[in-house]
Amino acid sequence: AQTVTQSQPEMSVQEAETVTLSCTYDTSESNYYLFWYKQPPSRQMILVIRQEAYKQQNATENRFSVNFQKAAKSFSLKISDSQLGDTAMYFCAFVTNSGYALNFGKGTSLLVTP
Amino acid sequence: GAVVSQHPSWVICKSGTSVKIECRSLDFQATTMFWYRQFPKQSLMLMATSNEGSKATYEQGVEKDKFLINHASLTLSTLTVTSAHPEDSSFYICSVSPPGTGDGELFFGEGSRLTVL
Repeated sequence: AQTVTQSQPEMSVQEAETVTLSCTYDTSESNYYLFWYKQPPSRQMILVIRQEAYKQQNATENRFSVNFQKAAKSFSLKISDSQLGDTAMYFCAFVTNSGYALNFGKGTSLLVTP
Repeated sequence: GAVVSQHPSWVICKSGTSVKIECRSLDFQATTMFWYRQFPKQSLMLMATSNEGSKATYEQGVEKDKFLINHASLTLSTLTVTSAHPEDSSFYICSVSPPGTGDGELFFGEGSRLTVL
């Protein structure tokens, strides 16, 4: 079975601080892609960052970066200089080369406070 | 980025009626579209994969007679909730993986909130 686990249902961080959201996954395949999606109150799903499993270098997108540990099957998201607009649900997801749709974790609700 | 449009964004219906939700790919042709369902404060659960020109592939536990999917063209997939009941109330989201991206990234529609009275 292919599963995604997000162990932090809710998190809170002050504006300008850094926060890390955790994600672990399980798959027997070696080739896959990992994603973090953001779902703000509007409920529109927005891609935050992606990582190819065959790349050792951690992906970075402006204030967002990941810590990808393939052996540990861990894919955490770090948000630096948190902003009020970062308040949202964050979903970790992955898809294998043999799969066809994303497998999502249960999500982490992030609240950024002034 | 790719644009995926869903309509309606919010629908309220009486129990026993059928509701159709449309998902359109505006920027590219999509042979495959995905339908997800999301309960409040929960994750997205894949319901089915819509295939242009063939039958949809349903996930285990999803009633194919309840949730009819028709991939009418390369830019349009529809989800019809038949004989809707209050337990069908949910947020339905369609998504598309553009051809050629190769990495499985999905672009999502705005979602459709269904409330069955």
